Amino acid sequence: GNSVTQMEGPVTLSEEAFLTINCTYTATGYPSLFWYVQYPGEGLQLLLKATKADDKGSNKGFEATYRKETTSFHLEKGSVQVSDSAVYFCALKSLQGAQKLVFGQGTRLTINP
Amino acid sequence: GAVVSQHPSWVICKSGTSVKIECRSLDFQATTMFWYRQFPKQSLMLMATSNEGSKATYEQGVEKDKFLINHASLTLSTLTVTSAHPEDSSFYICSARDGGGHEKLFFGSGTQLSVL
Repeated sequence: GNSVTQMEGPVTLSEEAFLTINCTYTATGYPSLFWYVQYPGEGLQLLLKATKADDKGSNKGFEATYRKETTSFHLEKGSVQVSDSAVYFCALKSLQGAQKLVFGQGTRLTINP
Repeated sequence: GAVVSQHPSWVICKSGTSVKIECRSLDFQATTMFWYRQFPKQSLMLMATSNEGSKATYEQGVEKDKFLINHASLTLSTLTVTSAHPEDSSFYICSARDGGGHEKLFFGSGTQLSVL
């Protein structure tokens, strides 16, 4: 079945550091890929998405590129801020069958000033 | 933007009691709501999909008699964990799909359930 594996956290960085959170997936066909972010006390929010191979999703300085050859969708940001502290979830949605969202386990990110 | 309100944010209960978790869409009509569960260091797992006015569709391995889902209106879905046991302790999250042509998904902030 479809599955998503994320880099295990927690991840702690200093402000202005470079961020990478790894995400790899297993799926039949060509799913859509997503990154969701959950800030403290809030619900998950869609951060960015990509719907086909080589697409790059970007938002708020974050980027992720849909890599079909490595079945990956790593999240990156060049210079993190304290306000980026949150839990990040990688997810996929297959375009076949039930089209349900399948999530990774989430990665808690803490940015220190 | 659209908001989904989930209550309570955390609850502690005794083994054998039932707990109800509410999920409300505050500014849109949610024809479909989803319930997820997350155990520590594991993925968010879909438990069931509920459509307003009809019975919920449960994922394989989820006991429908234990996790009662009611989606009586376009803005409210409830999950009741019946006769809770310590192994039901988990983080539960709801999400709601905006049926107003946007087809976007909005999430509640989650409920941490601890069963003693």
